[in-house]
Amino acid sequence: AQSVTQLDSQVPVFEEAPVELRCNYSSSVSVYLFWYVQYPNQGLQLLLKYLSGSTLVKGINGFEAEFNKSQTSFHLRKPSVHISDTAEYFCAVSDYPSSNTGKLIFGQGTTLQVKP
Amino acid sequence: NAGVTQTPKFRVLKTGQSMTLLCAQDMNHEYMYWYRQDPGMGLRLIHYSVGEGTTAKGEVPDGYNVSRLKKQNFLLGLESAAPSQTSVYFCASNPRQPGTGWDTQYFGPGTRLTVL
Repeated sequence: AQSVTQLDSQVPVFEEAPVELRCNYSSSVSVYLFWYVQYPNQGLQLLLKYLSGSTLVKGINGFEAEFNKSQTSFHLRKPSVHISDTAEYFCAVSDYPSSNTGKLIFGQGTTLQVKP
Repeated sequence: NAGVTQTPKFRVLKTGQSMTLLCAQDMNHEYMYWYRQDPGMGLRLIHYSVGEGTTAKGEVPDGYNVSRLKKQNFLLGLESAAPSQTSVYFCASNPRQPGTGWDTQYFGPGTRLTVL
């Protein structure tokens, strides 16, 4: 069975500082990895995804993530955060192509709180 | 395109009452999903559908039923609501066809349900 662990439930950071949100996963098969963002009272929006190829993935709003197969991690980073980045961030794993359902397993979420 | 829409946005039920949540998508996506979001638990899959007329159980299906009579609609039913079903419910769809974004789930804005 697959699982996703987000190591921090809350991450407070000052505006313009760098941030890293940590995500570890477990799976016995190849996986696709995703980061979604949820702004207050909204649905989830895709930030970035890793399917194959380059282990450094760039997404929207200046975010990037690095896939590390040996450490089974997919940490999200941004070099300089803005107040508008305050949101909840979810890491998720899909077991495609071994399964064709497209189901996602989500981590518990990390609340990023950017302070002025 | 409206994308993924959910009806209603808010609802308060009494224990034992029934209701149906409607999810509609206008992107001609094959796959659709229902998740519930609870604090500290991320999103958990309730049921999903890989095409019109098909449904399957997810991680937390008990107490819920679903139907996919039309490709664009995915209904989630609660036959006898319980306080444990108080949650925010999200619908998502996925094209699952080769091409840009075929592996990505697109989320609706959510339905906030309270069961008293």
